[in-house]
Formats: sequence, structure tokens, C-alpha cells
Amino acid sequence: GGIITQTPKFLIGQEGQKLTLKCQQNFNHDTMYWYRQDSGKGLRLIYYSITENDLQKGDLSEGYDASREKKSSFSLTVTSAQKNEMAVFLCASSQGDTQYFGPGTRLLVL
Amino acid sequence: GDQVKQSPSALSLQEGTNSALRCNFSIATTTVQWFLQNPRGSLMNLFYLVPGTKENGRLKSTFNSKESYSTLHIRDAQLEDSGTYFCAVSVGDNSKLIWGLGTSLVVNP
Repeated sequence: GGIITQTPKFLIGQEGQKLTLKCQQNFNHDTMYWYRQDSGKGLRLIYYSITENDLQKGDLSEGYDASREKKSSFSLTVTSAQKNEMAVFLCASSQGDTQYFGPGTRLLVL
Repeated sequence: GDQVKQSPSALSLQEGTNSALRCNFSIATTTVQWFLQNPRGSLMNLFYLVPGTKENGRLKSTFNSKESYSTLHIRDAQLEDSGTYFCAVSVGDNSKLIWGLGTSLVVNP
């Protein structure tokens, strides 16, 4: 088995601030994902990466940057936090079939 | 949400009863996945399906590729089955998933 860890668990930011979320997996999976989930809604794909140093845009990439520095880690940056923004950011990894998810980072922008 | 539609959007069941959740999609796909997000927010995979049927305990799921739908059957519902059930279908090279908006299930004692 393996595990996906996301840091931090909770993130409170200020409007306009640049915020970075981190994700680590020890499954040795090739593909990693960042999703955004708004309250009571489904998941929307922000970025994904099929291997180290690869980046592919999802449907919601505007306003975000991502970085796959090594196979086990995938980070997401909110380039300018929007006032009153509140969402959960979920990281996942996959080896061609099912996706495994981390516990999420809950973001609140004041 | 438009390409993958789940029904019902919300469901309340008595403990011990059975139900079926539906996922209709309007895009060509080769795989369907079902996930459960529990009330604490953790997402876990329930089924990874190619066309056909899989069963796991009290859960059974079918993917009908000809008619573009999938179903998730819950038998003898238990309190711990409560949560939001998501259906997702793969697109392109199977790296990406398109997600439905979920079915929120509450199981009552």
C-alpha cells in the first residue's frame, strides 16, 4: 500500500497573496493530479503531470501554477488568492487505472 | 457536470434497504470509476470498470458502454455508507477523468 500526504491541511491567506500547496506520494505512481472542489460540488481538474517535469493543463488552470520537481511530489501555487475564496484542493496519483486521493488542503482567503 | 450526469442528486435510505445510483454520460469512454467521499471529506475509489459488472461486498456496479451509462447498486445499506458518491469517466489517453456532480446519500437508522 501507499499513502498521499498533503500540506498544509488548512491554509488561510490574504487577498492577492501567492500560496503554495504541496503533495507527496509513495506509491511510485507516474501520474499526479490537482483538483479543486467547491462546497457541495464535483471535482475540477487544475493541472496534472504524467511524469517528472511534465505539466498538463486541466480545465481550471487559469490563476494557478504547478511544478513536478520529482516523481513523488507535485506542488500547486495559487498565483493571486481571490477575496472570500473557499475551496478544498485535492491531490491524487495514478498508475494508469484508479486514482488515489490525499486528504485535501482547505483554503480560506480573507 | 453536463457531460456526466448523476441521479438522483440526493437520496435518503433506511438502514437495511437497497438502492441504485445512476450515471449517464454523453462522451465516448472506455472506463468508468465510482468514488465515495465520506462526511469527513476523504475520497476513496470503489470501482474501476471496463464494460461489464463488478461486485464487492454489498456493492455492485455495471458499465454499459453501448448505452453510455453506469449504475451503482447498494444492498442492505449501512450507516457508514453515508456520503457523496461520484462517478467519473476517462477521456483521451485515460489520464484525465470527467466527473459528475455526485449523489449525496444519507442512511438513517
